Amino acid sequence: EVQLVESGGGLVKPGGSLRLSCAASAFTFTNYIMNWVRQAPGKGLEWVSSISSRSSYIYYADSVKGRFTISRDNAKNSLYLQMNSLRADDTAVYYCARSRSTGRDDAFDIWGQGTMVTVSS
Amino acid sequence: QSVLTQPPSVSAAPGQKVTISCSGSSSNIGNNYVSWYQHLPGTAPKLLIYDNNKRPSGIPDRFSGSKSGTSATLGITGLQTGDEADYYCGTWDSSLSAGKFGGGTKLTVL
Repeated sequence: EVQLVESGGGLVKPGGSLRLSCAASAFTFTNYIMNWVRQAPGKGLEWVSSISSRSSYIYYADSVKGRFTISRDNAKNSLYLQMNSLRADDTAVYYCARSRSTGRDDAFDIWGQGTMVTVSS
Repeated sequence: QSVLTQPPSVSAAPGQKVTISCSGSSSNIGNNYVSWYQHLPGTAPKLLIYDNNKRPSGIPDRFSGSKSGTSATLGITGLQTGDEADYYCGTWDSSLSAGKFGGGTKLTVL
């Protein structure tokens, strides 16, 4: 079964760091653009970052630019999100999502169950 | 305030039809594919429509998508209580070089 499983969420103090991981299985990870999407409590979905199949192209939302770093290890079928200088408004469920194909506007067809990040003192 | 504008809520009776609009601009909807997602609290979002009007396998034909200019629409016919969820449109914004979602629309099946 095609699957994405996130891990690494938790409680962190403002200004702290956290690294999220997303393990992919049952598909050729190397072929796909991968993404992070988050949902803050009571809010809608917010796109966070995308990375192309070979890490050649990387994009970030303005809200996380300069603080978050997306990366991938194709040999390990894994996607990562390094989050630094965390703020209270980064509190959210973070989802890993696969793009259907190679276009930047391609839909996200496979999603993980999400991992909760809480930033609080 | 989202770049893509959706109505906060829509409602209709079981068996009826509802449409959800998503309004954007030439830098996003006007020149990129639109997708639609269904999201139930505590679960992973589910892709309903991709490339403006295509349905992934397993999505019933009660769900449809369309796009005209800088707006897109999700249609749901034969409403069921199980359709109660939040619905989001999504696309890429070429000017911002960023992915975008609409603010979401809560569907209530009365």
